[in-house]
Amino acid sequence: GAVVSQHPSRVICKSGTSVKIECRSLDFQATTMFWYRQFPKKSLMLMATSNEGSKATYEQGVEKDKFLINHASLTLSTLTVTSAHPEDSSFYICSASPNKGTTQYFGPGTRLTVL
Amino acid sequence: GQQVMQIPQYQHVQEGEDFTTYCNSSTTLSNIQWYKQRPGGHPVFLIQLVKSGEVKKQKRLTFQFGEAKKNSSLHITATQTTDVGTYFCAGWSGTYKYIFGTGTRLKVLA
Repeated sequence: GAVVSQHPSRVICKSGTSVKIECRSLDFQATTMFWYRQFPKKSLMLMATSNEGSKATYEQGVEKDKFLINHASLTLSTLTVTSAHPEDSSFYICSASPNKGTTQYFGPGTRLTVL
Repeated sequence: GQQVMQIPQYQHVQEGEDFTTYCNSSTTLSNIQWYKQRPGGHPVFLIQLVKSGEVKKQKRLTFQFGEAKKNSSLHITATQTTDVGTYFCAGWSGTYKYIFGTGTRLKVLA
């Protein structure tokens, strides 16, 4: 089956630093990757849609300068949380899809804690 | 904007009892997917429904897509402790993204 990896799985950082999270599709090419944020006991909130070779599409209310997304290849997308603050602490999950409207395969998630 | 609501929000059942979660969209959907997320884990794809009125079964799980393609349900027969988790529906409206439902957290008491 399709496998998506995410790295790191857990990160603790100081306020003001930047954190990069990688999302890779290991056995398929992902034309689209999605970045979600999930608060405890809540649903997944779509932050942005990442398309290979073009700019990401951000959801309303998500700061594009705060959450930088790069979709460098058909198998890799990165999310950089810049100048992180404690309120950015959350569970970040990526998903990858071979085609729009088809199955999304989720990565294992990254738990970010900003002190 | 498009909203996808799920009820109930929480459900506690005795092992062996049945369980149903309902998913309702404010707009017509092209397709709907269901996911299961175990505590501390990530969502795992269960199934996708595309056709109006479609019914699919996976062992003890039965999935339905409404005739109007605005609602869906997941029914689990004779729950087991391994069914514990949060069940999400996700609707594709034909744009570029899935909208996740609010989720139903299932707890199964042994």
